[in-house]
Amino acid sequence: GESVGLHLPTLSVQEGDNSIINCAYSNSASDYFIWYKQESGKGPQFIIDIRSNMDKRQGQRVTVLLNKTVKHLSLQIAATQPGDSAVYFCAENSGGSNYKLTFGKGTLLTVNP
Amino acid sequence: EAGVTQFPSHSVIEKGQTVTLRCDPISGHDNLYWYRRVMGKEIKFLLHFVKESKQDESGMPNNRFLAERTGGTYSTLKVQPAELEDSGVYFCASSQERGFTDTQYFGPGTRLTVL
Repeated sequence: GESVGLHLPTLSVQEGDNSIINCAYSNSASDYFIWYKQESGKGPQFIIDIRSNMDKRQGQRVTVLLNKTVKHLSLQIAATQPGDSAVYFCAENSGGSNYKLTFGKGTLLTVNP
Repeated sequence: EAGVTQFPSHSVIEKGQTVTLRCDPISGHDNLYWYRRVMGKEIKFLLHFVKESKQDESGMPNNRFLAERTGGTYSTLKVQPAELEDSGVYFCASSQERGFTDTQYFGPGTRLTVL
């Protein structure tokens, strides 16, 4: 069946370093991809998204890369800060009239001061 | 602008009891979604409302779950009777009605524990 998964369940980095969180997906019809950040006690918070017709999109300190050939998505966080510590989820949908999101398991990012 | 709100934040009930979760979407958002995350698993889609109509309920696990959105504003999700495997965090999200790329904004979730 369709699935969106993550290579690494945990990632620990030093403050100021760059972080890379990876995600694999299996649905070749996926058209829209999103990264969410979830802090303790809160719901998922939108970070950045990308359509399947793009391979890179940049935001403030974050960049999402999409490689459709190998069905791989990554989130890069520049100059990681303690406030970036959270669980990060990738999600996708196949577009059209389908609005439901399929989530990966999540990666716990810990930033050490 | 207020975000998506959910009530209660926590609920602890006995197996066989009934629980009703409430979600208030962002004002003006026609789309409302329910998701849940059970222990150690991914966040899973349950259903999608457009205004008061169920657009997609393919994720509802069984007929013990009933979602309503009367009047197209807030929504309730009732679990009756609750089973142990229903424990988890139930998230509500909402989005505007412009297409599938509209950002889904999530509420803080309701943590349900069934004993």
